[in-house]
Amino acid sequence: KQEVTQIPAALSVPEGENLVLNCSFTDSAIYNLQWFRQDPGKGLTSLLLIQSSQREQTSGRLNASLDKSSGRSTLYIAASQPGDSATYLCAVPLISNFGNEKLTFGTGTRLTIIP
Amino acid sequence: DADVTQTPRNRITKTGKRIMLECSQTKGHDRMYWYRQDPGLGLRLIYYSFDVKDINKGEISDGYSVSRQAQAKFSLSLESAIPNQTALYFCATSGGDIQYFGAGTRLSVL
Repeated sequence: KQEVTQIPAALSVPEGENLVLNCSFTDSAIYNLQWFRQDPGKGLTSLLLIQSSQREQTSGRLNASLDKSSGRSTLYIAASQPGDSATYLCAVPLISNFGNEKLTFGTGTRLTIIP
Repeated sequence: DADVTQTPRNRITKTGKRIMLECSQTKGHDRMYWYRQDPGLGLRLIYYSFDVKDINKGEISDGYSVSRQAQAKFSLSLESAIPNQTALYFCATSGGDIQYFGAGTRLSVL
């Protein structure tokens, strides 16, 4: 059974700093890995999706990396802003005959950017 | 308008009551999902549907049922609510790798 872990559960950093969020998974046979952002009252928003053949994916100030062999992914946020405060979750799909969309989620890292 | 709409947004009910959570999507996707989120446990899959005639149990389906009324509508029912079903419930839809989520329904069972 795939298990996804995110440490730390909460993180506070001053505005402007670069930071890294971590995600680890136990079964390296994955199609892809997604990072989501969760804001209170607004559900989850997909930030980045890395295919298993990729090592990195970038969107603006966000950069996600994937190391399948070690079962790890990181989400790098550059020049953090108060608006980045949210809970960040990673998720990997369960490989099955029906495709790769049944997601297993980590428990998330609650990020607070201090102005 | 949101791509995925969940109603109600908040609900308080009593043990033993039947309750339905509704979800509709405007993405035109075939695939829809119901998750619940509990503190410290992340999101867990309750049911998923790959089209109107294809409904499958997820990780934690006991105590829940679903109905896929149309491509755009997927409802979740608690036949007899119990307190440990108090959670945040999310509906999602996908047409490929990315899932699009609704804003969630916060359910409290007293």
